[in-house]
Amino acid sequence: SAVISQKPSRDICQRGTSLTIQCQVDSQVTMMFWYRQQPGQSLTLIATANQGSEATYESGFVIDKFPISRPNLTFSTLTVSNMSPEDSSIYLCSVETGDTQYFGPGTRLTVL
Amino acid sequence: DAKTTQPTSMDCAEGRAANLPCNHSTISGNEYVYWYRQIHSQGPQYIIHGLKNNETNEMASLIITEDRKSSTLILPHATLRDTAVYYCIVRVPTTLGRLYFGRGTQLTVWP
Repeated sequence: SAVISQKPSRDICQRGTSLTIQCQVDSQVTMMFWYRQQPGQSLTLIATANQGSEATYESGFVIDKFPISRPNLTFSTLTVSNMSPEDSSIYLCSVETGDTQYFGPGTRLTVL
Repeated sequence: DAKTTQPTSMDCAEGRAANLPCNHSTISGNEYVYWYRQIHSQGPQYIIHGLKNNETNEMASLIITEDRKSSTLILPHATLRDTAVYYCIVRVPTTLGRLYFGRGTQLTVWP
């Protein structure tokens, strides 16, 4: 298994601003992922964060809106840029280790 | 993209076994069945996974039918803390990493 932490755990932001969410893992992992969970909805994959290369984004998500960094095998950041109220969601990072994916506790974002 | 079908909600008395069904009639030969649960907006928690044999761990048992078209997650002695949304997911491990979360089953355990 893997122990994953995220910062911040929650935040309230003004529209038009940006927020960077950090994800830290207790072991080196190749594959890290970022998900979004909008209110009352299920999880949706935003992108796969690859160490040493550009992130791979899912349909409907773009780098300008959700830039991702992956500087090493234990850390990644997701930035939510130029936020609007529609970006209010829980953002989750996850890692693949062995044949199982484990999730962090999530970051609850509210945009006013 | 969801390839599984689960009941929207179920309930169970505390101390009794909770049996959560999942249909995955189009599962491929190399796809595993994974179960996760999410307790009130926390990060999803991995429970168990299997390919074709029944599996058991400290949290639950997974029963997969012989034709692999359906499975059942069993929580042998449900507690109030097991109240959560349970997700059944089929995937090939590590393939692009993505997990497709459907709507899941809201399990409510009552005293």
